[in-house]
Amino acid sequence: KQEVTQIPAALSVPEGENLVLNCSFTDSAIYNLQWFRQDPGKGLTSLLLIQSSQREQTSGRLNASLDKSSGRSTLYIAASQPGDSATYLCAVGAYNNNDMRFGAGTRLTVKP
Amino acid sequence: DGGITQSPKYLFRKEGQNVTLSCEQNLNHDAMYWYRQDPGQGLRLIYYSQIVNDFQKGDIAEGYSVSREKKESFPLTVTSAQKNPTAFYLCASSMEGYNEQFFGPGTRLTVL
Repeated sequence: KQEVTQIPAALSVPEGENLVLNCSFTDSAIYNLQWFRQDPGKGLTSLLLIQSSQREQTSGRLNASLDKSSGRSTLYIAASQPGDSATYLCAVGAYNNNDMRFGAGTRLTVKP
Repeated sequence: DGGITQSPKYLFRKEGQNVTLSCEQNLNHDAMYWYRQDPGQGLRLIYYSQIVNDFQKGDIAEGYSVSREKKESFPLTVTSAQKNPTAFYLCASSMEGYNEQFFGPGTRLTVL
């Protein structure tokens, strides 16, 4: 059974810092990996989707990488801003079913 | 505007009551999903549906029921058999089972 882990559970950084959020998974036979943002009491907003054949995806100040062989993905946020404060979740999709396995998330606080 | 709507935003249930959470999408997506989110945990899949009139149990289906009579709608009923229903419930949809998932704003259910 696929297990997804996100470390650290919480992270606090000063504004302007570049940062990396980590996601690890136990089964490398994945179909895709998706990064989401969740604001308190809200639904999930999709940030980036990486297919299993891809190594990275970029959107603005965000860059997500995928290393299937080591079971890891990272989300890089450049020049962080207070508006980036939220919980970031990664989810891994399997080939054989519709199940996506979610990590518990990293709660990011960017201080002005 | 295309998107996923969930209602109500907040729901209170008394012991022994069944309650139904609404999820509607106008994205023309085939697949729809229900997840439960508890504090400090990743999302867990309750039920999913790939096509109308068909749905499958997820990891935590006990105490829940669904229907998929229309492509746009996937209501979730939390029955009295669900012993610990207080949680944040999220509905999602995707073009087909393995593609990018899009989420609604969520319903927070509290048992009184």
